[in-house]
Amino acid sequence: KQEVTQIPAALSVPEGENLVLNCSFTDSAIYNLQWFRQDPGKGLTSLLLIQSSQREQTSGRLNASLDKSSGRSTLYIAASQPGDSATYLCAVHLGDSSYKLIFGSGTRLLVRP
Amino acid sequence: EAGVAQSPRYKIIEKRQSVAFWCNPISGHATLYWYQQILGQGPKLLIQFQNNGVVDDSQLPKDRFSAERLKGVDSTLKIQPAKLEDSAVYLCASSVTSNSPLHFGNGTRLTVT
Repeated sequence: KQEVTQIPAALSVPEGENLVLNCSFTDSAIYNLQWFRQDPGKGLTSLLLIQSSQREQTSGRLNASLDKSSGRSTLYIAASQPGDSATYLCAVHLGDSSYKLIFGSGTRLLVRP
Repeated sequence: EAGVAQSPRYKIIEKRQSVAFWCNPISGHATLYWYQQILGQGPKLLIQFQNNGVVDDSQLPKDRFSAERLKGVDSTLKIQPAKLEDSAVYLCASSVTSNSPLHFGNGTRLTVT
């Protein structure tokens, strides 16, 4: 059974710091992995999607890496800003007939001005 | 483009009552998902539709939950009767295909007292 774990559960950093959020999964047979952002009272916004054949994806100040063999992904945020404060969730797509996304519990990020 | 629309935004009911949630996906999106997100946890898939057919409902508590997707567009999720543990945010998402990034609505926050 696929399980997704995110560490840390919460993180508080001063503005301008570079930071790394971690995601691990137990079964390396994934189709792709996505990182989402969730603001309080809102739905989820897809940030980056990494196919199983890729090693990383970049969008602006965000960079996500994927190491399938070790069952790990990281989300790197450069030069953090208070507007980055949100919960960040990773999810793996199993690629089976149901195309189910399995989510981690998220990392709650606070960027202090 | 218009996003995924959900209503109502909030709902408070007593246990054993019934409740229904509505979702209008992005136009042209064939795949529609209902997720349940309990406070402090990641979303859990309840049911996935491909057009108007059910692809996966393995985690839907079928004794009390039901869902349908009318003519492959709008969808409703019903709980009857509700239990205290059903208190959660119910998120609807849609995607062009099952391998495309998901677009989430803002969710319906249900409180069962």
